Amino acid sequence: GENVEQHPSTLSVQEGDSAVIKCTYSDSASNYFPWYKQELGKRPQLIIDIRSNVGEKKDQRIAVTLNKTAKHFSLHITETQPEDSAVYFCAASMKKTSYDKVIFGPGTSLSVIP
Amino acid sequence: SQTIHQWPATLVQPVGSPLSLECTVEGTSNPNLYWYRQAAGRGLQLLFYSVGIGQISSEVPQNLSASRPQDRQFILSSKKLLLSDSGFYLCAWSVLQTDTQYFGPGTRLTVL
Repeated sequence: GENVEQHPSTLSVQEGDSAVIKCTYSDSASNYFPWYKQELGKRPQLIIDIRSNVGEKKDQRIAVTLNKTAKHFSLHITETQPEDSAVYFCAASMKKTSYDKVIFGPGTSLSVIP
Repeated sequence: SQTIHQWPATLVQPVGSPLSLECTVEGTSNPNLYWYRQAAGRGLQLLFYSVGIGQISSEVPQNLSASRPQDRQFILSSKKLLLSDSGFYLCAWSVLQTDTQYFGPGTRLTVL
């Protein structure tokens, strides 16, 4: 079946430390992996994404890695800041006949302690 | 640039009352449109998606329905709300041929 697992469910780090969130997906046909950040009461916002033909992508303090063989992908945040505190969702997208089905992970609540 | 609107922002409704939430997208044509629900402290549950006017697909059986009367308008409805319909309702859009979904600001619905 189609499923995305995400760990940990909660994560607390000291400001300046790194944070890593890991996801696994079940469908080997998945070819697009976005990450969303959702602050309290707000909409999820895309922060970075990676496609299945790329192993790693970096954008300033944020990086995502993908291991297609193991069906794992991870989000890495370096030099964390209090404003990084939010819920992070990974997702795996698959192309259906005419739309893109996105399966979201259950989310990770990240707290950055000043 | 593209923008997505949802209204109302918040809504408090009694059990058994009807519901109508609206979503509109600007700056793009023929988008894929989606309705998600997020219960408090939980993940995103896809409710409906639409690839064109009048074309609605449901992901889960429920008390809700959706309609797309115009290309860039997506409506979520219910004839009789249940307590379990409470949540944060998010509309999203994506451009055909790409995968990225962009979310609207959401409607927070409380059913009492």
